Amino acid sequence: NAGVTQTPKFQVLKTGQSMTLQCAQDMNHNSMYWYRQDPGMGLRLIYYSASEGTTDKGEVPNGYNVSRLNKREFSLRLESAAPSQTSVYFCASSQTSGGAYGTDTQYFGPGTRLTVL
Amino acid sequence: QKEVEQNSGPLSVPEGAIASLNCTYSDRVSQSFFWYRQYSGKSPELIMSIYSNGDKEDGRFTAQLNKASQYVSLLIRDSQPSDSATYLCAVTSGTYKYIFGTGTRLKVLA
Repeated sequence: NAGVTQTPKFQVLKTGQSMTLQCAQDMNHNSMYWYRQDPGMGLRLIYYSASEGTTDKGEVPNGYNVSRLNKREFSLRLESAAPSQTSVYFCASSQTSGGAYGTDTQYFGPGTRLTVL
Repeated sequence: QKEVEQNSGPLSVPEGAIASLNCTYSDRVSQSFFWYRQYSGKSPELIMSIYSNGDKEDGRFTAQLNKASQYVSLLIRDSQPSDSATYLCAVTSGTYKYIFGTGTRLKVLA
């Protein structure tokens, strides 16, 4: 099992460019998440998908869109990149998004390091 | 007040000693508690999860939960230089909302 995979690993964009970050999991998990991690800020939730066919905003959704393509894949799109979106982006998945002990553990992908100039 | 608070460190301990990492949280209805280890430039890796008051042991790691005091800790026995990393505490109240602390940097000195 590869677990959670993310592409690309690194990306440099110019202000105003768009791009899509890809995430896939092979653990048959229902729930998937996108976080960003900035120095001193911890992990902050951008969007999440509790189950296939549903998506909801997290703490910092502005400037991002998501698509839950199927049960395995959850993509994050930056429509018009800004320097404030320079960050490390992590995708995570869990069997459920809460309410059942032990099934709400999140597993993380390797991350995408994005720089917006 | 931050929802999940951790001392940023660095916490320095000699090799072979016990490292004690602490985390406090503000939401009294929190149900699930996690400790993740994150090496520099890498993604968070689950170490322990704990759901009930008391201690939970896994190898050299022990998680301790006290819901009355809203406190969760991680003890690392026989600390090794390879344990040097940032340790993230995460809390959820049974919904999608996982709240992460900013992490404690641990340095194990050989």
